[in-house]
Amino acid sequence: DSGVTQTPKHLITATGQRVTLRCSPRSGDLSVYWYQQSLDQGLQFLIQYYNGEERAKGNILERFSAQQFPDLHSELNLSSLELGDSALYFCASSERDGEQYFGPGTRLTVT
Amino acid sequence: QKEVEQDPGPLSVPEGAIVSLNCTYSNSAFQYFMWYRQYSRKGPELLMYTYSSGNKEDGRFTAQVDKSSKYISLFIRDSQPSDSATYLCAMSARGGTSYGKLTFGQGTILTVHP
Repeated sequence: DSGVTQTPKHLITATGQRVTLRCSPRSGDLSVYWYQQSLDQGLQFLIQYYNGEERAKGNILERFSAQQFPDLHSELNLSSLELGDSALYFCASSERDGEQYFGPGTRLTVT
Repeated sequence: QKEVEQDPGPLSVPEGAIVSLNCTYSNSAFQYFMWYRQYSRKGPELLMYTYSSGNKEDGRFTAQVDKSSKYISLFIRDSQPSDSATYLCAMSARGGTSYGKLTFGQGTILTVHP
């Protein structure tokens, strides 16, 4: 158990809908990262927050947004969902650079 | 060309074998190198973390980084069936706009059979 929690475990929704994925980092970690894992693209970095501020951005779609709250938990919002957004979404946290610990993931299925 | 290349395998070895997993990369800014193990439908688990070049050993696992060749390796000694998983290499640069971002290889599927 990495200490990073994610909810929900599974999410099934229809195209055009909006969903919110939630992540709680390990105790003491200030950085939260979001990654998307699909069969064809592998694990892809989406975005990083550090102590409430956006720190780095990857190839995150404009339909996707994230935020980190004062209690350090983070949410990833996915809107106008398309079939191609079906994937595993992971949250990771770290105290410092490099050593990122991953949560169990949220499996999103868009039908 | 991808920034990080990793042979997807699959790799099948008998129990007790020494396993060698490798990644090459093209971005000379990478300074942090990691290996993760991922069981099916689970989150990646951090196995090894190294900074810059050199070797690091932890139990049955040894990680090697050769920055001059842009090549990293993970060796697993006395492999066990419980080591059967997908192994992902990951790397990050320091500073700039890529601060904290991990770039992953495609992963190597390993099966250790009894």
